[in-house]
Amino acid sequence: QKEVEQNSGPLSVPEGAIASLNCTYSDRGSQSFFWYRQYSGKSPELIMFIYSNGDKEDGRFTAQLNKASQYVSLLIRDSQPSDSATYLCAVNTNAGKSTFGDGTTLTVKP
Amino acid sequence: DTEVTQTPKHLVMGMTNKKSLKCEQHMGHRAMYWYKQKAKKPPELMFVYSYEKLSINESVPSRFSPECPNSSLLNLHLHALQPEDSALYLCASSQDFQGGRPQHFGDGTRLSIL
Repeated sequence: QKEVEQNSGPLSVPEGAIASLNCTYSDRGSQSFFWYRQYSGKSPELIMFIYSNGDKEDGRFTAQLNKASQYVSLLIRDSQPSDSATYLCAVNTNAGKSTFGDGTTLTVKP
Repeated sequence: DTEVTQTPKHLVMGMTNKKSLKCEQHMGHRAMYWYKQKAKKPPELMFVYSYEKLSINESVPSRFSPECPNSSLLNLHLHALQPEDSALYLCASSQDFQGGRPQHFGDGTRLSIL
């Protein structure tokens, strides 16, 4: 089992729809959870981080964390073609290292 | 534009060359990282410096040699690389290492080994 698993893509949604990206992790001691967006040929860009159970909203983005289920998700509301990218889930344990999932590629069709 | 600056943006080198990648941040972050990323793969951690001391070396071959001259700078010295070392090399920084703070990435150096 991989330490961090993301739903296999690619994921395609129409413009204006909600895109839902999911991530599960295996280490129950994980403390910090991050979502990065990476455009093709570019470096990862931090878009959300969450430490506590529940929802965290920032503009069109909502991160959801459920530590009991070892699950973290990212919702993108009113998806735009500019949201088309690969989304990387990263999980930190107490040791401090970030473990990345393989990423989910999202395409938003106009 | 990112707050972590990497130079050069592109580098082509032969297998016998010696070159260095540079990374600089002025956010006061005390942890700095080197990652290697191949196409369509996630970043793969190479080294972590915390308060200018090497904290993690992920069993990286000795042809990669990191250096942290001060809290703002991070170098990666390259020597006798192999074609499979061609990749995007990413530098990142965070406020600290074990505090679970988010990492901020530079734009990367795209390295090609001939």
